[in-house]
Amino acid sequence: SAVISQKPSRDICQRGTSLTIQCQVDSQVTMMFWYRQQPGQSLTLIATANQGSEATYESGFVIDKFPISRPNLTFSTLTVSNMSPEDSSIYLCSAQDASRAGTDTQYFGPGTRLTVL
Amino acid sequence: AQSVSQHNHHVILSEAASLELGCNYSYGGTVNLFWYVQYPGQHLQLLLKYFSGDPLVKGIKGFEAEFIKSKFSFNLRKPSVQWSDTAEYFCAVYNTNAGKSTFGDGTTLTVKP
Repeated sequence: SAVISQKPSRDICQRGTSLTIQCQVDSQVTMMFWYRQQPGQSLTLIATANQGSEATYESGFVIDKFPISRPNLTFSTLTVSNMSPEDSSIYLCSAQDASRAGTDTQYFGPGTRLTVL
Repeated sequence: AQSVSQHNHHVILSEAASLELGCNYSYGGTVNLFWYVQYPGQHLQLLLKYFSGDPLVKGIKGFEAEFIKSKFSFNLRKPSVQWSDTAEYFCAVYNTNAGKSTFGDGTTLTVKP
């Protein structure tokens, strides 16, 4: 299994500013994901963070708004840019080691609760 | 597009009652199936998973799920729930071709002591 930490755990930000969320995994993983979870709703995949290449974004999410970095196999960041109140949500980091067969289990971080005023 | 449907948004049970949470997915290819649980104030964690083999899989805390391929279903069951099972439960389907998961909307389970 993998243990994932995220920083910050929560933040309150002003409209128009940006916030960078950090995700650290305690072991090397091939795949990392960023999700958004609105209160009472399911997880929506924002993007897959690929090590050594550009992130792959899902429909409705763009790099200018959610730039992602993945400098190595244990770390990733998600930036929420030019924030608006609609960006208020919980942002979850997830990791998966797909290098071994039958290990498609995803592990999740504790989430970052973002409130935009 | 792949989708996952959880039948119940909120289930309320008394302790010792039996539980069954429905999950159906729409995708004809090879999938791996998961149930995740999120206890109050905690992060998502794996409850059980199905990759292949015996379609009845057992997970932690007495939970089990049955994969019925013909019905595209992966329902979660527990014969006797406890107050500590109060949580939100998410069904997820991993598309092995696309390399990503789709989650259901979640079911909030409240167990009354």
